[in-house]
Amino acid sequence: EPEVTQTPSHQVTQMGQEVILRCVPISNHLYFYWYRQILGQKVEFLVSFYNNEISEKSEIFDDQFSVERPDGSNFTLKIRSTKLEDSAMYFCASKGHYTGELFFGEGSRLTVL
Amino acid sequence: KNEVEQSPQNLTAQEGEFITINCSYSVGISALHWLQQHPGGGIVSLFMLSSGKKKHGRLIATINIQEKHSSLHITASHPRDSAVYICAALTGGATNKLIFGTGTLLAVQP
Repeated sequence: EPEVTQTPSHQVTQMGQEVILRCVPISNHLYFYWYRQILGQKVEFLVSFYNNEISEKSEIFDDQFSVERPDGSNFTLKIRSTKLEDSAMYFCASKGHYTGELFFGEGSRLTVL
Repeated sequence: KNEVEQSPQNLTAQEGEFITINCSYSVGISALHWLQQHPGGGIVSLFMLSSGKKKHGRLIATINIQEKHSSLHITASHPRDSAVYICAALTGGATNKLIFGTGTLLAVQP
């Protein structure tokens, strides 16, 4: 069974620090996503990435956020200067071009103190 | 108003009961996903459907595109089915992002 892997599973950081969340999507997938879920709330779309560029981003995805695919396998989400309200579970997902089947990672829990 | 609404928000059932979770959406979709989220947080896609009905084991998902409504049914429910079930609308276009419902917390008691 193919899987999306995310690291770290849990990160605690101080407000103002930079955080990088990493994802390894399924190898032949072409569409990549980051979603987040604040505790007790629904999952929200952050950003989608296709053909090495952002295809859409939400209002949440401001200048503090960035994504890149540095080496053709990893897909990273960087938060430049974390705020308390960035505390959430961040999910990476990838999707194949033909089947449309979507696979999620197990999530990275970010706690900002 | 949420673009994707689910009901009920919470559901408690006895083992063996037939369960139905409903989803209504107001956006245009290319497909609808039913997802399962366990207490640890991980999300698993159960179904992706754009018309009709799909079945996988004891799970059945249906969609009515005209009425913008989908249902997830669980037959012969079991305590291991306890989880949050989420309906998510897949938008079309270049992005194909998901718009999530708020989820239904299901507890199946033995």
